[in-house]
Amino acid sequence: EPEVTQTPSHQVTQMGQEVILRCVPISNHLYFYWYRQILGQKVEFLVSFYNNEISEKSEIFDDQFSVERPDGSNFTLKIRSTKLEDSAMYFCASSEGGSSVGYTFGSGTRLTVV
Amino acid sequence: QKEVEQDPGPLSVPEGAIVSLNCTYSNSAFQYFMWYRQYSRKGPELLMYTYSSGNKEDGRFTAQVDKSSKYISLFIRDSQPSDSATYLCAMSVGNEKLTFGTGTRLTIIP
Repeated sequence: EPEVTQTPSHQVTQMGQEVILRCVPISNHLYFYWYRQILGQKVEFLVSFYNNEISEKSEIFDDQFSVERPDGSNFTLKIRSTKLEDSAMYFCASSEGGSSVGYTFGSGTRLTVV
Repeated sequence: QKEVEQDPGPLSVPEGAIVSLNCTYSNSAFQYFMWYRQYSRKGPELLMYTYSSGNKEDGRFTAQVDKSSKYISLFIRDSQPSDSATYLCAMSVGNEKLTFGTGTRLTIIP
């Protein structure tokens, strides 16, 4: 069964450093997403990406965050200057038809900012 | 009032029992409703999605939506230990972002 692949599975970084989280969505999917889940809290939306541009973003997704689809297969989330409160599980997801038909999530990257 | 409310549990039931999981929501614009299953330190896995009020069945799982009451349910029949996980409801307005509930932690006792 096709799956969304995320790397690395765990990243530890120092506060103020830049991190790039990588994702390979399912190949025929057109919609791409980043969500995050702080330990013990609910899954929160960060950003959606369709047709090579951001289609929706949350208040969390401020100027410190950016997304890119540098080639036909990868989808990345960059955090420019990490803060302690950025520590969370970050999930990439992709969908063939958008939110209305649900997504396939990756296994996540656990980001720990120290 | 939170947009989506879900009892976090934990909920423990004996193997073979029928499990009922529920969410309420406040935004009447929500149109699409989903249930995800999440195992510890893994990504959410889509179980079912529905549109509009009514029931949808898939194997041992039945999703129910009551838009007039702003209430959705997931029923699991003949529950198995492998069903032990956190169950997340999620909903969206059209193709906009998914809004998740907090999740209900379920344990099926053999």
